Amino acid sequence: RKEVEQDPGPFNVPEGATVAFNCTYSNSASQSFFWYRQDCRKEPKLLMSVYSSGNEDGRFTAQLNRASQYISLLIRDSKLSDSATYLCVVNRHTNKLIFGTGTLLAVQP
Amino acid sequence: DVKVTQSSRYLVKRTGEKVFLECVQDMDHENMFWYRQDPGLGLRLIYFSYDVKMKEKGDIPEGYSVSREKKERFSLILESASTNQTSMYLCASKGALEGAKNIQYFGAGTRLSVL
Repeated sequence: RKEVEQDPGPFNVPEGATVAFNCTYSNSASQSFFWYRQDCRKEPKLLMSVYSSGNEDGRFTAQLNRASQYISLLIRDSKLSDSATYLCVVNRHTNKLIFGTGTLLAVQP
Repeated sequence: DVKVTQSSRYLVKRTGEKVFLECVQDMDHENMFWYRQDPGLGLRLIYFSYDVKMKEKGDIPEGYSVSREKKERFSLILESASTNQTSMYLCASKGALEGAKNIQYFGAGTRLSVL
């Protein structure tokens, strides 16, 4: 079983739609959680950290459920520019990040 | 802005060749990392370094070695390239002061093909 699991998608949604991705992790000792975004043939970039109380950054909302060991990302009012692969990332300890294989989002005009 | 620069975007090598992948960061970061990314497997950590001349194995170090002689530069070495090392290689760096934020900044990647 992979340490971080994501639905690979693709999620095909129209512009303006709300879309949500979930991710599960297996190591209950994981300490911090992130969503990274990776555009086609580009490097991953941090989208947002995920805090226990949930956090929001504009159209993006991240939630963490430690009891069930899952993380979610909600995107409201999808834009064409949101099309990318979203990587769920968990840290095992200070210097080691574990990456999910990513969820592909395609926003259609 | 943090800049992580990888020396080549594309490389084609032959089986058995010695391959050097170079990575330079300009933010005086203590920590540097090498990953490979393959379809269906995601990013996997090969090696990382938390200081000059210090290194630690990641999850898939077999067939690779690294060198960190200067703080800004972290090299990945394939002693004898094999076809199963065809992949996208990504370098990343992180400052010691990032702490729990654990933000890693990535280079643009090197797509290596071993024939």
